[in-house]
Amino acid sequence: RKEVEQDPGPFNVPEGATVAFNCTYSNSASQSFFWYRQDCRKEPKLLMSVYSSGNEDGRFTAQLNRASQYISLLIRDSKLSDSATYLCVVNKYGGSQGNLIFGKGTKLSVKP
Amino acid sequence: DAGVIQSPRHEVTEMGQEVTLRCKPISGHNSLFWYRQTMMRGLELLIYFNNNVPIDDSGMPEDRFSAKMPNASFSTLKIQPSEPRDSAVYFCASRFGGRETQYFGPGTRLLVL
Repeated sequence: RKEVEQDPGPFNVPEGATVAFNCTYSNSASQSFFWYRQDCRKEPKLLMSVYSSGNEDGRFTAQLNRASQYISLLIRDSKLSDSATYLCVVNKYGGSQGNLIFGKGTKLSVKP
Repeated sequence: DAGVIQSPRHEVTEMGQEVTLRCKPISGHNSLFWYRQTMMRGLELLIYFNNNVPIDDSGMPEDRFSAKMPNASFSTLKIQPSEPRDSAVYFCASRFGGRETQYFGPGTRLLVL
């Protein structure tokens, strides 16, 4: 089983739609979780961290379910500029001790 | 402030040639990471350094790959000899101290013919 698994998509949605991505991780001892965004032919950039209590940043909401070992990202009122690949990222050990394990990403395409 | 700087941005070479990729981390960051990204395998960690010391090189594919960090502001990833299967985008990233966020450079697109 891969350490971090995501549905590769693509998810093709109209502007204004709500879209959700899920991600599962295999190591139950994993401590920290993130979503990174990668635009076409660009580098990955941190979108948001994911906390057990869930967290929201504008139109973006991230959730963590430790019991089921999955992480979700919800995008509301999607914009054309949200088109990108979203990478689910897990830090096995947390803090500065661990390495980041990246999923292969879910591609989102928002259409007019 | 400048972000992570990588050079060259694109490299086309022939099989068997030596390839050297370069990275300058963000000033003050003391951890540096080399990744490789392909469609098939996604983003894979090759090696990372803390305070210029290699900590984990378990992701380095084989002896053809080597990485150095002679000082806090410069690192190289060398492939010798290069093979077509090495074609990928190579990213360098850096991180400050105890923080978890990594900042990526723009990458080097390598094509080995």
